[in-house]
Amino acid sequence: EPEVTQTPSHQVTQMGQEVILRCVPISNHLYFYWYRQILGQKVEFLVSFYNNEISEKSEIFDDQFSVERPDGSNFTLKIRSTKLEDSAMYFCASTKIGPRGADTQYFGPGTRLTVL
Amino acid sequence: AQTVTQSQPEMSVQEAETVTLSCTYDTSESDYYLFWYKQPPSRQMILVIRQEAYKQQNATENRFSVNFQKAAKSFSLKISDSQLGDAAMYFCAYRSARGGGADGLTFGKGTHLIIQP
Repeated sequence: EPEVTQTPSHQVTQMGQEVILRCVPISNHLYFYWYRQILGQKVEFLVSFYNNEISEKSEIFDDQFSVERPDGSNFTLKIRSTKLEDSAMYFCASTKIGPRGADTQYFGPGTRLTVL
Repeated sequence: AQTVTQSQPEMSVQEAETVTLSCTYDTSESDYYLFWYKQPPSRQMILVIRQEAYKQQNATENRFSVNFQKAAKSFSLKISDSQLGDAAMYFCAYRSARGGGADGLTFGKGTHLIIQP
């Protein structure tokens, strides 16, 4: 069964550094998403992406964040200058388009980002 | 904005028993989707079950079923014949059907389910 994959599984970085988190969505899916989960808290929506552009973004997704689909398979989240509070689990998700629009979102295993 | 509330931070059940996890939500929309996701210690988010608001019939997936009460804005998850592998955090989530797919999921804070052997 196809799965969403994410790399790396764990990323450690110094405050102020740039990080790129990578995702490979399920191949016939057309909507892609990033979420984050700070330890012990609920999962929060960051951004959705469709047809090579951002569809929706939350207030969390500020100018420090950007997303890109650099080729036909990868979907990336870049954090330009990491802060301590960016430490979290970052989940990628994707969904196909069904008869009533976007279908169920399937999540990747997550990337744990630790900012020191 | 939509909100999702899970009022039970933690629940405990004996193996083979039945447990019900509660979820309420607030929305002014009439067309939406509701989901239960399971997050084991590995922190992977696994879909358990989904419900489309326009369907009156409650969704069922093997030992998992929901009680969807649209007027009350309630969406509880029942797990029958609980197994040790069911131990996890369970998150209730809402998504609007309005945006065609652009909208992200709105999650509750989760319920930690403990299975007693």
